Amino acid sequence: GAVVSQHPSRVICKSGTSVKIECRSLDFQATTMFWYRQFPKQSLMLMATSNEGSKATYEQGVEKDKFLINHASLTLSTLTVTSAHPEDSSFYICSASSSAGVMETQYFGPGTRLLVL
Amino acid sequence: DAKTTQPPSMDCAEGRAANLPCNHSTISGNEYVYWYRQIHSQGPQYIIHGLKNNETNEMASLIITEDRKSSTLILPHATLRDTAVYYCIVRPLQGAQKLVFGQGTRLTINP
Repeated sequence: GAVVSQHPSRVICKSGTSVKIECRSLDFQATTMFWYRQFPKQSLMLMATSNEGSKATYEQGVEKDKFLINHASLTLSTLTVTSAHPEDSSFYICSASSSAGVMETQYFGPGTRLLVL
Repeated sequence: DAKTTQPPSMDCAEGRAANLPCNHSTISGNEYVYWYRQIHSQGPQYIIHGLKNNETNEMASLIITEDRKSSTLILPHATLRDTAVYYCIVRPLQGAQKLVFGQGTRLTINP
């Protein structure tokens, strides 16, 4: 399957600082990338859909000014958690959509564990 | 909301076949059935998908009932590394559509 990477794999930051997470599709071009968040013992929750060259579409309840998404190229999307607080501590996972004919299978990155102190 | 229903947990002996059921009674004609799994502290891994015919790949087999209201993921010879949460998801045929994850089935493979 296609390969998606994330960087960093884990990050610890102080409350009030901003953290940037990168998501890269390594062997394919991804016109669409998705950002998910997963709290302990819970399922993945979609935060936003990111299309290359356009503004991201956020799910209800997700603050777009707090979670800044940039999808500047077909292989890179970034999520910036601004003014992070302890409640933002979570496992952030991206996925990228690989076009294969009419089907578009999503492949996931390994995730980034964020701990805000 | 997720459009699928799965048992919260299952156990299977190592070396045996693991059969994971999924109900998707409200599936529409243009929706595929996708299966992903998530091993602890990792991103979900794509396993297989299908529309109405049974599918098989190197990881698993997918059996979809004729009315498409349910399906079964089969891991033919489960190993300890197959211990994970397995998610059954339905999504439309075309377009980069978002995946809606339910709670999945926590499969434990026992030695």
